[in-house]
Amino acid sequence: DVKVTQSSRYLVKRTGEKVFLECVQDMDHENMFWYRQDPGLGLRLIYFSYDVKMKEKGDIPEGYSVSREKKERFSLILESASTNQTSMYLCASSFPPGGRAEAFFGQGTRLTVV
Amino acid sequence: SQQGEEDPQALSIQEGENATMNCSYKTSINNLQWYRQNSGRGLVHLILIRSNEREKHSGRLRVTLDTSKKSSSLLITASRAADTASYFCATGLTGRRALTFGSGTRLQVQP
Repeated sequence: DVKVTQSSRYLVKRTGEKVFLECVQDMDHENMFWYRQDPGLGLRLIYFSYDVKMKEKGDIPEGYSVSREKKERFSLILESASTNQTSMYLCASSFPPGGRAEAFFGQGTRLTVV
Repeated sequence: SQQGEEDPQALSIQEGENATMNCSYKTSINNLQWYRQNSGRGLVHLILIRSNEREKHSGRLRVTLDTSKKSSSLLITASRAADTASYFCATGLTGRRALTFGSGTRLQVQP
């Protein structure tokens, strides 16, 4: 079974802190994604990566950056956390590109910025 | 704006009844997928239907796709309390590398 693991289930950070959310997948998938989920808004794409060191902005990249130094690991970085970044963050991976097959999700990280 | 919009936003039924959720989308798709999310957890893939398919079954799940109306429906038959979750449709769009999700339907199945 594909496993996507996010480093933390819950995080509490202070405004202005630099925050790292880590995601690791074990199925050699080329494509990895970060979404945030807010009530009533569904999942919104922040960034995705289709290869090592390759990344593309999603629909809401402002305030975030990403890093993919190894194929199995995709990190989301909040450069200076703000309260409006309090949310559930979901990492996913897939093999074929372009949303042509199912995505596998991690368990989510609920981030609270105070 | 969101590509997929689910309807209804919330649904409450009794165990044993059928649950139907609908999804509408705006642009051409490669495929449409349905996911399930238990409270506070990640999403789990349920079923994928390609743009050239009209109906697909998986266990108690039945998905239909009408590309002329840009809509899909997910039917869960003989529902169980364990089916209580949020259900999301997601579309794979031509020229877009990631899935686009709707806002979801919260299903409550009363025992």
